[in-house]
Amino acid sequence: DTGVSQDPRHKITKRGQNVTFRCDPISEHNRLYWYRQTLGQGPEFLTYFQNEAQLEKSRLLSDRFSAERPKGSFSTLEIQRTEQGDSAMYLCASSLAQHNEQFFGPGTRLTVL
Amino acid sequence: GNSVTQMEGPVTLSEEAFLTINCTYTATGYPSLFWYVQYPGEGLQLLLKATKADDKGSNKGFEATYRKETTSFHLEKGSVQVSDSAVYFCALSPQGGSEKLVFGKGTKLTVNP
Repeated sequence: DTGVSQDPRHKITKRGQNVTFRCDPISEHNRLYWYRQTLGQGPEFLTYFQNEAQLEKSRLLSDRFSAERPKGSFSTLEIQRTEQGDSAMYLCASSLAQHNEQFFGPGTRLTVL
Repeated sequence: GNSVTQMEGPVTLSEEAFLTINCTYTATGYPSLFWYVQYPGEGLQLLLKATKADDKGSNKGFEATYRKETTSFHLEKGSVQVSDSAVYFCALSPQGGSEKLVFGKGTKLTVNP
C-alpha cells in the first residue's frame, strides 16, 4: 500500500498525559499537512511542512502542540498535557509541491479521559 | 476570512434519485474548490475539483461547476446508488500562498435500495 499511513489508529489517554502520533506520507510527496476533525465538523487545518520546513501554523495549534518532520519524510505530532478538548480525529495528508491534491491518511482517533 | 458553508444533512434518498448538495464559499481572489468524500471507515478521498471560474469538475457521475458570480460549487449526481452513501465535504484552497484546505462541516448522504 503506497498511501498515507498513520499510527496509531486509536489512542486513549488520561488527561495530563503526553501523546505522540506518526504520519508516513506518500514517498515522493514534499508537502505534509496535519488537520483535526471533531465530531460533526469538517477537518480544520493545524500545520504543514514542505520537506522539513514548517511553513504555516494555525492559531489552533497551541503551545501544547508541536509537530516535526526532521528528515522531510515522516512527521510526528505531539500533544503535551492533554485536555478533554483535545479529543478528536487527527488527520495527516500529503501532496506534491505545486499540486493542490492532498491525499489523506485514515486518521488517529484520540480520546482523552 | 475564508469559509465554506454546505447544506446540513443528513440527506436520505432512494436509489436512482437525483442528488444536489449545496456549497457556497467566502474567499478573497480565486480559490480552488474541491469535493471530498469519506466512506464509512475510510479516510477522505478527493472526489472532484475545479481551479477557476466556470470549470466543471466531474468524477464517478458526480459533477460540480465553479460559479464565481454566486460563489457556489454545488455537487450533483443524476442517479445515486447505495454505494454513494458517505459523508461529502466541500473545501477550498485559498489563492496563492498556503495550500491549506478550508472545509465545510460535511453532509451525510444515505441512499436506500
